[in-house]
Amino acid sequence: QVQLVQSGAEVKKPGSSVKVSCKTSGGTFSSHAINWVRQAPGQGLEWLGGIVPLFGTTKYALKFQGRVTISADESASTAYMELTSLTSDDTAVYYCARDRYSDSSDNYFESQYWGQGTLVTVSS
Amino acid sequence: IVLTQSPGTLSLSPGERATLSCRASQSVDRNFLAWYQQKPGRAPRLLIYATFKRAIDIPDRFSGSGSGTDFTLTISRLEPEDFAVYYCQRYGSSLTFGGGTKVEIK
Repeated sequence: QVQLVQSGAEVKKPGSSVKVSCKTSGGTFSSHAINWVRQAPGQGLEWLGGIVPLFGTTKYALKFQGRVTISADESASTAYMELTSLTSDDTAVYYCARDRYSDSSDNYFESQYWGQGTLVTVSS
Repeated sequence: IVLTQSPGTLSLSPGERATLSCRASQSVDRNFLAWYQQKPGRAPRLLIYATFKRAIDIPDRFSGSGSGTDFTLTISRLEPEDFAVYYCQRYGSSLTFGGGTKVEIK
């Protein structure tokens, strides 16, 4: 049984940074991509980027390039997402999600397993 | 690739058939198209992947179809637990989500 457990809610000041963790258990950590998706209040799903821990390769949505860093610690089976230069527009629930399938490349596939979400509130 | 879902809201009664559309601005490679269901306060749940394959434990009233730029999620007979928001997603070299369709009780 694959499970993803995220770190707790955060309240941040504008201009600061936030780092959210996603610890996985069960299954194979390294070979499956882990993606980060956010959802602003009342809005849809938005992809920030992802990582395949086996290769250490990352991909980022154009909108977030330069502001987001995704990393992984294989020894801890944990992925991280750091977002900098926060504004109120970054207030959202941030989800990590693990692919159902891996073809041992840096392709991303459908997300079968999701974390519980981490609410990040940006407010002065 | 931009994914456009329609309608924005679908008002139906339990037992009715729901047809949700997802249109891509470019052809989706290898039919790498998935559908998710999301209920308030919950993470999305994978329903369909590779356009038409049902994910584990998904009832057969959910089906996916389509190719190229036009894809459809069909719920053959709506159950009370099916009223939720549905998202399509293109995957492969990156991920893209559609804006969502809310299926509400009429």
